[in-house]
Amino acid sequence: KQEVTQIPAALSVPEGENLVLNCSFTDSAIYNLQWFRQDPGKGLTSLLLIQSSQREQTSGRLNASLDKSSGRSTLYIAASQPGDSATYLCAAFMEYGNKLVFGAGTILRVKS
Amino acid sequence: DTGVSQNPRHKITKRGQNVTFRCDPISEHNRLYWYRQTLGQGPEFLTYFQNEAQLEKSRLLSDRFSAERPKGSFSTLEIQRTEQGDSAMYLCASSLPFGLGYGYTFGSGTRLTVV
Repeated sequence: KQEVTQIPAALSVPEGENLVLNCSFTDSAIYNLQWFRQDPGKGLTSLLLIQSSQREQTSGRLNASLDKSSGRSTLYIAASQPGDSATYLCAAFMEYGNKLVFGAGTILRVKS
Repeated sequence: DTGVSQNPRHKITKRGQNVTFRCDPISEHNRLYWYRQTLGQGPEFLTYFQNEAQLEKSRLLSDRFSAERPKGSFSTLEIQRTEQGDSAMYLCASSLPFGLGYGYTFGSGTRLTVV
């Protein structure tokens, strides 16, 4: 059974700081990995999707990497802004399954 | 409409009542998923459809829960005899067929409060 863990559970940083969010998964047979953002009481917004054959994806100030062999993915946020404050969720889509398996998320607060 | 639409956004109901939620996926997406999210947790899989066929159901989906997707378009999730433990955010997502390399698109969710 796939388990997805996100560390840290919560993070508070000053504006302008670069930061890394970590995601680990127990089963390396993933098809792709997707990072989402969730604002309080809202749905999920897709940030980046990394295929298993890819090593990383970039969108603006966001960069996500994937290392299947070690069961890890990271989300790098450059020059953080207060508007980045949200919960960040990673989810693995399994090769043998038909659903995303989510971590519990990292709650990010960027202080101005 | 380019997104996944969910209605209602919020629902408050008394324990024991039945509730029904609706999800309208992106029109060209043939896969539709329901997830449940409780406070401080990641979303948990409930069920998914490929076109009108319900292909997988989680053990979380008790007999009080039923989902349908008639004609392979919109989907409904019904909860009968609601319990306080059913209070959660119910999320719907849609996607293209597995293997095409696209991710999921989620709706804004329906927040259910059972009092």
